[in-house]
Amino acid sequence: DAGVIQSPRHEVTEMGQEVTLRCKPISGHNSLFWYRQTMMRGLELLIYFNNNVPIDDSGMPEDRFSAKMPNASFSTLKIQPSEPRDSAVYFCASSLGTGDHEQYFGPGTRLTVT
Amino acid sequence: QKEVEQNSGPLSVPEGAIASLNCTYSDRGSQSFFWYRQYSGKSPELIMSIYSNGDKEDGRFTAQLNKASQYVSLLIRDSQPSDSATYLCAVNLWDMRFGAGTRLTVKP
Repeated sequence: DAGVIQSPRHEVTEMGQEVTLRCKPISGHNSLFWYRQTMMRGLELLIYFNNNVPIDDSGMPEDRFSAKMPNASFSTLKIQPSEPRDSAVYFCASSLGTGDHEQYFGPGTRLTVT
Repeated sequence: QKEVEQNSGPLSVPEGAIASLNCTYSDRGSQSFFWYRQYSGKSPELIMSIYSNGDKEDGRFTAQLNKASQYVSLLIRDSQPSDSATYLCAVNLWDMRFGAGTRLTVKP
């Protein structure tokens, strides 16, 4: 079975540009999570969706970040405008539900903003 | 106080030894607990989940949970060089909170 799919795997962009990260969850999973990982801050939850509805976006660092889930098989995380401090690895994860359910991670997108 | 704390490491053990990884959490209402393994440059991989007090064994891995002490641990028996990775403890109440991770090195 296909796992969580993310694209692109690597993104290098200049400060001020728009960046869009994409995620396809595991088929049948109805919860999707976006995380950011850096050496300094570790793994941080940015936002999560349940049945395509954003449930908690309190981890989104600022208004430059936005996320959508237009259907059960696709989600995007957008940064506009990007800044060098946004450089990190962004992971998408999915699970059968929230709460006690196990989360499965995609391969991540390594973002570098110069 | 951090929500999820792990022993900072790095932890180094010889091949064949038992590696013990520890984690404490601050929210008594937490109900589910997970251990993830993350190889350098890769994504976190779920290796164990535990929901009830006591031990849960899966092959060479044993997770231990003590809710009264707000403590969860992972034991790796017969450690192999391929176990060398960072191990992340995760605790779920309303959402998942991860510890900073413990880097484990198993020396041949």
